[in-house]
Amino acid sequence: DIVMTQSPDSLAVALGERATINCKSSQSLLSTSNNQNYLAWHQQKPGQPPRLLFSWASTRESGVPDRFSVSGSGTDFTLTISSLQADDVAIYYCHQHYSSPITFGGGTKVEI
Amino acid sequence: EVHLVESGGGLVQPGGSLRLSCEVSGFRITTDWMSWVRQAPGKGLEWVANIKEDESEIYYLNSVKGRFTISKDDTKNSVFLQMTSLRAEDTAVYYCVTSRGFMLEHWGQGTLVTVSS
Repeated sequence: DIVMTQSPDSLAVALGERATINCKSSQSLLSTSNNQNYLAWHQQKPGQPPRLLFSWASTRESGVPDRFSVSGSGTDFTLTISSLQADDVAIYYCHQHYSSPITFGGGTKVEI
Repeated sequence: EVHLVESGGGLVQPGGSLRLSCEVSGFRITTDWMSWVRQAPGKGLEWVANIKEDESEIYYLNSVKGRFTISKDDTKNSVFLQMTSLRAEDTAVYYCVTSRGFMLEHWGQGTLVTVSS
């Protein structure tokens, strides 16, 4: 099984400041056949189901503000919120869709 | 717009059974994979099972193999999760999720399953 490790577990950031979340996989998520990283990011606000933010490590889903950005390839990935807003308070999860079983990082709780 | 509505959750005694249903609109389940993901109270996300659009491939979390069965009814555009021999550690909100391959995309609101005596 591919193990996904997120860091930190939680972070408190002032409004308008930058938040950075890291996600590391136990094996490469980069496919040599299509040069795509099989890594997605989800956001879960309190009391809500998760919502897909980014697919294929870098494809922004419709409606995701551009203050959210992602980077990384292979085994190391980063989600950055450039200027934290109150609406961004949530738990963020990475998940690998390279192989079964689908696995998630433990989540990173972002607070003000 | 894709919309998923789960139902069938509730309180069940250890060893009991439940059948979860997921009605999907805005997405044809004949076109791609469907998944179930759960979240225990205050915990993270855990994938449970998924089924390919033509049912030729089905996968389960090791801890639910032999106890849970995922199925689908294309005529009703619905997906199901039959859960038997339930344990306390199965207590969670169960989400139905559309998938592009193994990539989880649209999530339902979830249905709570509580296993307790």
